[in-house]
Amino acid sequence: GNSVTQMEGPVTLSEEAFLTINCTYTATGYPSLFWYVQYPGEGLQLLLKATKADDKGSNKGFEATYRKETTSFHLEKGSVQVSDSAVYFCALSDQGNTPLVFGKGTRLSVIA
Amino acid sequence: DAGITQSPRHKVTETGTPVTLRCHQTENHRYMYWYRQDPGHGLRLIHYSYGVKDTDKGEVSDGYSVSRSKTEDFLLTLESATSSQTSVYFCAISAGRATDTQYFGPGTRLTVL
Repeated sequence: GNSVTQMEGPVTLSEEAFLTINCTYTATGYPSLFWYVQYPGEGLQLLLKATKADDKGSNKGFEATYRKETTSFHLEKGSVQVSDSAVYFCALSDQGNTPLVFGKGTRLSVIA
Repeated sequence: DAGITQSPRHKVTETGTPVTLRCHQTENHRYMYWYRQDPGHGLRLIHYSYGVKDTDKGEVSDGYSVSRSKTEDFLLTLESATSSQTSVYFCAISAGRATDTQYFGPGTRLTVL
């Protein structure tokens, strides 16, 4: 079945450091891929998405490129801020009518 | 922000008591979902609905039931709460398909003593 694997957290970075959170997936066909973010005390919200191979999703300085050859969708940001501290979830859809499949989440803490 | 509310936001109950959580949306979206979030497990789907009176099970549906009698409301019921159901519960909605972007409510923190 479909699955998403994210790097284990927590990840702790200093402000202005470069961020990478790894995400790999297993799916049949050509899924769409998503990154959701959960700020403390809130529900998840969509950060970015990509719907086909080689697409790059971007938002708020975050980027992720859909790599079909490596079945990956790694999240990157060039310079993190304290306000980026949150839990990040990778997810996929199989283009069918079944709900999204989420990874377990990666907690990011950014210190000043 | 998508119009999704959850009630109650916090609840403490005792083992064996019934509990109902409510999700209400004002977006007229077709799909609604209930998830639970636990440390080390991430987000797990309990049940979802693809229309009024149309529901299906998710990954962790045992011990939970749902009902959707109106487009805007999706109820999650724990018939006899257990301590293992202590968790944070999130409702989500999506528009056209189950694979569309999901919009999440603020969550309900449930503690079963």
